[in-house]
Amino acid sequence: SQELEQSPQSLIVQEGKNLTINCTSSKTLYGLYWYKQKYGEGLIFLMMLQKGGEEKSHEKITAKLDEKKQQSSLHITASQPSHAGIYLCGADYGGSQGNLIFGKGTKLSVKP
Amino acid sequence: EAGVAQSPRYKIIEKRQSVAFWCNPISGHATLYWYQQILGQGPKLLIQFQNNGVVDDSQLPKDRFSAERLKGVDSTLKIQPAKLEDSAVYLCASRVSGANVLTFGAGSRLTVL
Repeated sequence: SQELEQSPQSLIVQEGKNLTINCTSSKTLYGLYWYKQKYGEGLIFLMMLQKGGEEKSHEKITAKLDEKKQQSSLHITASQPSHAGIYLCGADYGGSQGNLIFGKGTKLSVKP
Repeated sequence: EAGVAQSPRYKIIEKRQSVAFWCNPISGHATLYWYQQILGQGPKLLIQFQNNGVVDDSQLPKDRFSAERLKGVDSTLKIQPAKLEDSAVYLCASRVSGANVLTFGAGSRLTVL
């Protein structure tokens, strides 16, 4: 089974609406990284979470890591077409530093 | 600061042919990674270098894939012979020592016919 599960797999929202993407790990996380990917492009770093209960925000995107460090959520407020893309969570399980295990991604479409 | 450079961006080959991808990391980044991303999947680590040494190549299919980073700067990933299932985007990433965040290149998209 997959170590890192993302949900939903895809999401279509109307511009201006809020949305949440979840990332659940089967093991305790040392760190959780959120990246965004547009088609044909590389991954763009969004946020890194390491402490249980940690929450970080950047512009209209907020990411949280639960106290048990096995689940993270990414919340977008008042979505815009520029938010469209694939959101990937990457887990650091304490192996070779920087060796991230990625989820399958959540494809977000924002309808104007 | 220049980003991670990769080439070619796109490559189409027939099965059993060979292909090579090149990556130039951000200047000063000692750690370099090659990831494979199959359509609809998340990236999967193939190999990790620290300077010119291999840290982790446990998921590299060594019967057909090889990678090198001879001078500890740029790197080449080779596939020979290619199979249909090698069709994917090959992503290079780099990281500066002491930092946690990986910076990714735009990727090289391989199609094997």
